[in-house]
Amino acid sequence: DAGVIQSPRHEVTEMGQEVTLRCKPISGHDYLFWYRQTMMRGLELLIYFNNNVPIDDSGMPEDRFSAKMPNASFSTLKIQPSEPRDSAVYFCASSSGTLPDLSGANVLTFGAGSRLTVL
Amino acid sequence: AQTVTQSQPEMSVQEAETVTLSCTYDTSESDYYLFWYKQPPSRQMILVIRQEAYKQQNATENRFSVNFQKAAKSFSLKISDSQLGDAAMYFCAYRHMYSGGGADGLTFGKGTHLIIQP
Repeated sequence: DAGVIQSPRHEVTEMGQEVTLRCKPISGHDYLFWYRQTMMRGLELLIYFNNNVPIDDSGMPEDRFSAKMPNASFSTLKIQPSEPRDSAVYFCASSSGTLPDLSGANVLTFGAGSRLTVL
Repeated sequence: AQTVTQSQPEMSVQEAETVTLSCTYDTSESDYYLFWYKQPPSRQMILVIRQEAYKQQNATENRFSVNFQKAAKSFSLKISDSQLGDAAMYFCAYRHMYSGGGADGLTFGKGTHLIIQP
């Protein structure tokens, strides 16, 4: 497996523009997570899905942020309109709750991250 | 809400020496996992080691081992024979597991920047 795939790796946009970040989880994983990393706030959980259903979106900062998971192999995180304070690295991660324990059940595997800069 | 505290923003160690990174957590739950992740300058998050709360035996992975003190809610990482490639940010993380199946996301500490002196 190629691991968790995120795109784009880097995004520079202007304030007010729409930003869409994409994630392909590891095949067979039933959990998908979106995290944001900044120097000030560290790693924050934004939202997570189980079997494509959003379970907890309490970390989504405001209505400008939305996330979808239309199928088991794809998720998006959208920011509309974007603001300079949204500048951060956004990570997607996936995990399986059903693997045998020795195979790493319940371990999150992270993508390489998407670095977003909003000017 | 669960919290994870890493009290050492930065640590420095000589190559080939041993270093211990501290982590404490606060939870009222009994079933959970604890993790250490490494983030080198490439920013990739890499799993170092994990510990299931129900296991009394401390986890080990080659040069990496943990000291898990459940009653004290302490979970420190020991790196033996430090190598230049160990230089990175190290994050301690907690994950609550539900008794009926299912789990929360990871709650991370603020991280410890580990410097390896050649």
